[in-house]
Amino acid sequence: IQLTQSPSSLSASVGDRVTITCRASQGISSFLAWYQQKPGKAPDLLIYAASTLQSGVPSRFSGSGSGTDFTLTISSLQPEDFATYYCQHLNSDPFTFGQGTRLEIK
Amino acid sequence: EVQLVESGGGLVQPGGSLRLSCTASGFIASNYYIDWVRQAPGGGLEWVANVRQDGHDTNFVDSVRGRFTISRDNAKNSLFLQMNSLRVEDTAVYYCVAAITFMGGRYWLDSWGQGTLVTVSP
Repeated sequence: IQLTQSPSSLSASVGDRVTITCRASQGISSFLAWYQQKPGKAPDLLIYAASTLQSGVPSRFSGSGSGTDFTLTISSLQPEDFATYYCQHLNSDPFTFGQGTRLEIK
Repeated sequence: EVQLVESGGGLVQPGGSLRLSCTASGFIASNYYIDWVRQAPGGGLEWVANVRQDGHDTNFVDSVRGRFTISRDNAKNSLFLQMNSLRVEDTAVYYCVAAITFMGGRYWLDSWGQGTLVTVSP
């Protein structure tokens, strides 16, 4: 199963609403997670089961979708949100990741 | 506090071997799936392998199957990734990840170590 994220990179400003999409090459039900990674750090789980917010993650992050099309939305960008975001499926191994979306400050 | 600490990375020549260790604290590692994820320099994330709680069921990405193995030492709350026949393309930071959160029939990768760098170079 391949995951394709779009866009690959994105420039936005603090306060903007941002949406990142992840498309699976075949249906994966809701077996999708989103991660945030900052330079030199391990990824952090943001959302799992497509739409469940991980404990401690701000409510400005949300996820939706099922089947093949998924979105990660940040409702109002904060300075600490500028990072790279990855989706990953857990439908069946290998549990592949998307190629990543780099979110940069405009 | 859940914590995972990887060790054992370093520089190795192509064809060589390395054994990565992952030591867990704050939880009983044998109660959960543990995954290994790697990231090549400047690259994206790649899922490599995982091991079930009982240690008998392991899964690998095609590119490492037959060369990498996973084992557990429950007495030490640790896991090991044995990497043989290493290739230049195995160069990456290797993360040990505990899948503790269970929902919807899946264990989600929610606790990550800091990673250990493996460099395969002549």
